[in-house]
Amino acid sequence: ILNVEQSPQSLHVQEGDSTNFTCSFPSSNFYALHWYRWETAKSPEALFVMTLNGDEKKKGRISATLNTKEGYSYLYIKGSQPEDSATYLCALQTGANNLFFGTGTRLTVIP
Amino acid sequence: EPEVTQTPSHQVTQMGQEVILRCVPISNHLYFYWYRQILGQKVEFLVSFYNNEISEKSEIFDDQFSVERPDGSNFTLKIRSTKLEDSAMYFCASSDDRVGGYTFGSGTRLTVV
Repeated sequence: ILNVEQSPQSLHVQEGDSTNFTCSFPSSNFYALHWYRWETAKSPEALFVMTLNGDEKKKGRISATLNTKEGYSYLYIKGSQPEDSATYLCALQTGANNLFFGTGTRLTVIP
Repeated sequence: EPEVTQTPSHQVTQMGQEVILRCVPISNHLYFYWYRQILGQKVEFLVSFYNNEISEKSEIFDDQFSVERPDGSNFTLKIRSTKLEDSAMYFCASSDDRVGGYTFGSGTRLTVV
């Protein structure tokens, strides 16, 4: 079992603030790094899948970076909105066809 | 947008009973998965399925568990004799390739009493 860590565990920000959180993972056996957004009572929604060291991906106000050599990925949210409130999960995909998830960062955006 | 559908959303069963959790993956996807999350813990991998057979399974996926794709559209997870520690949210997911994001269903909450 590979240890994927996310920090912080939870975060409260004011509407309009920008924020970021971290996913760290063992850099050996790296195949891909996934980010998912999971709202309560809904299904986890894929945000990004990154495979290359130095990858940066963007979707609206959300972006992510990847450093496979040091084993971390950052997720950034610019100008947080209440609808961004969710748990953000990262997951490491090794050469095998399964994902090792972190515990998630629970974001609450206060209007 | 295509969805992965899971039924039931909530199932309560007695310890020792068999349960079948059902999933309809996205129709043109090739890879299918079951994951679960025990309350307060990480989402953990159970099994992946490709080309009508199990491609990978975790230590959790012992002889009490089985998966089936009986008719080309449904993908089921069977737990033969449920234990209290099987209580969890079970998620089905599918993907169209190995390096794509997964599409998850909204889960079945299994409670074993």
